[in-house]
Amino acid sequence: EVQLVESGGGLVQPGGSLRLSCAASGFTFRSSAMNWVRHAPGRGLEWVAAFSGSTTNTYYANSVRGRFTISRDNSKNTLYLQMDSLRAEDTALYYCARDWQLDYWGLGTAVTVSS
Amino acid sequence: DVVMTQSPLSLPVTLGQPASISCRSSQSLVHSNGDIYLNWFQQRPGQSPRRLIYQVSKRDSGVPDRFTGTGSGTDFTLKISRVEAEDIGTYYCMQGTHWPRALGQGTRLEIK
Repeated sequence: EVQLVESGGGLVQPGGSLRLSCAASGFTFRSSAMNWVRHAPGRGLEWVAAFSGSTTNTYYANSVRGRFTISRDNSKNTLYLQMDSLRAEDTALYYCARDWQLDYWGLGTAVTVSS
Repeated sequence: DVVMTQSPLSLPVTLGQPASISCRSSQSLVHSNGDIYLNWFQQRPGQSPRRLIYQVSKRDSGVPDRFTGTGSGTDFTLKISRVEAEDIGTYYCMQGTHWPRALGQGTRLEIK
């Protein structure tokens, strides 16, 4: 059974940093593309970033490029999202999702950016 | 960047009646390999999103056959033949052809 478990969310001040993790199980992680998607309060879903399964290619939404970094550790079956220079508008529930076409999603981890 | 536009944004429906959601992309979603990567997701209240449809019309495992995806090029539709109470939630289309990925604004399906 595919399982994705996000962690690392919390309250952070504007300008601060946070690193999210997504622990994966039930499938061959190293060969799977992975994504981060967020859902801000009162807004729709927003795709954030993706990491290829077969190469080191990464992709970002314009809203986070230069501030967020997606990475993965295939030995730990874990996906990461390093978030720097955080802004109030980054407040959201962050999901990880498998595959280029997002076939499985985790339950999410909440990030609040506020002073 | 590709922009995905859904309509309507709110859809009041009567249980047992059909429902239809439109999704339009600002450019063709035909990939260089000839496939079209248009997905539909359902997000029930308090739950994570769940993929219903991929590549325009292919239903994911366990998705009831009352859900049908159609379309081509830039215009796509999700139809529910007879709405049931468990279908209540927000529906999103997402293009998986171009970078960056883009989702529609979401369509909130609610009971009349």
